[in-house]
Amino acid sequence: GQQLNQSPQSMFIQEGEDVSMNCTSSSIFNTWLWYKQDPGEGPVLLIALYKAGELTSNGRLTAQFGITRKDSFLNISASIPSDVGIYFCAGQGNYGGSQGNLIFGKGTKLSVKP
Amino acid sequence: NAGVTQTPKFQVLKTGQSMTLQCAQDMNHEYMSWYRQDPGMGLRLIHYSVGAGITDQGEVPNGYNVSRSTTEDFPLRLLSAAPSQTSVYFCASSYSPRGYGYTFGSGTRLTVV
Repeated sequence: GQQLNQSPQSMFIQEGEDVSMNCTSSSIFNTWLWYKQDPGEGPVLLIALYKAGELTSNGRLTAQFGITRKDSFLNISASIPSDVGIYFCAGQGNYGGSQGNLIFGKGTKLSVKP
Repeated sequence: NAGVTQTPKFQVLKTGQSMTLQCAQDMNHEYMSWYRQDPGMGLRLIHYSVGAGITDQGEVPNGYNVSRSTTEDFPLRLLSAAPSQTSVYFCASSYSPRGYGYTFGSGTRLTVV
């Protein structure tokens, strides 16, 4: 089946630092999504991307849909303590039917530097 | 709006017991799905439904049954619980097959002993 490779698996942030994470796939997707999950909660959508090359921002978050349609990255600028959590990328093939289902990466866990 | 409501929040089962995880949404969404989340594994699709009366298998369907008799409800049944089914289960719904429409519930943490 389709797989997404998300990296890094975990990282520590210090307030004010910029953060980058990415996802790569062996298959092409029509949609790339980035979710954040806080402890004890379900994932919440941060950014959705629909076109190859698309660059989209949501406040301090910026994400891009790779030109090959097989990758995406998420940047967080000037991180703040509430940015900690698990970030997931998700890809979607054709809309509708089984190919419309989301394929999730394994997540990037952001923690605060001790 | 309540969004997607999952019950119970926590559950402990003994091996071989059966139970139903409930999921309800009040947004009139056609698409509903169940995921399980295990440490370091991300979310994996168990079953999904594209409308009342229509269900299909996802990536990891073994040991689980679903039905969709109404638009609002999409219960997940474990017929004979096994320790390998210890996980956090999420229900999600969407008004559109496009991914941006997915709303997730807050999860059910299931432990099978």
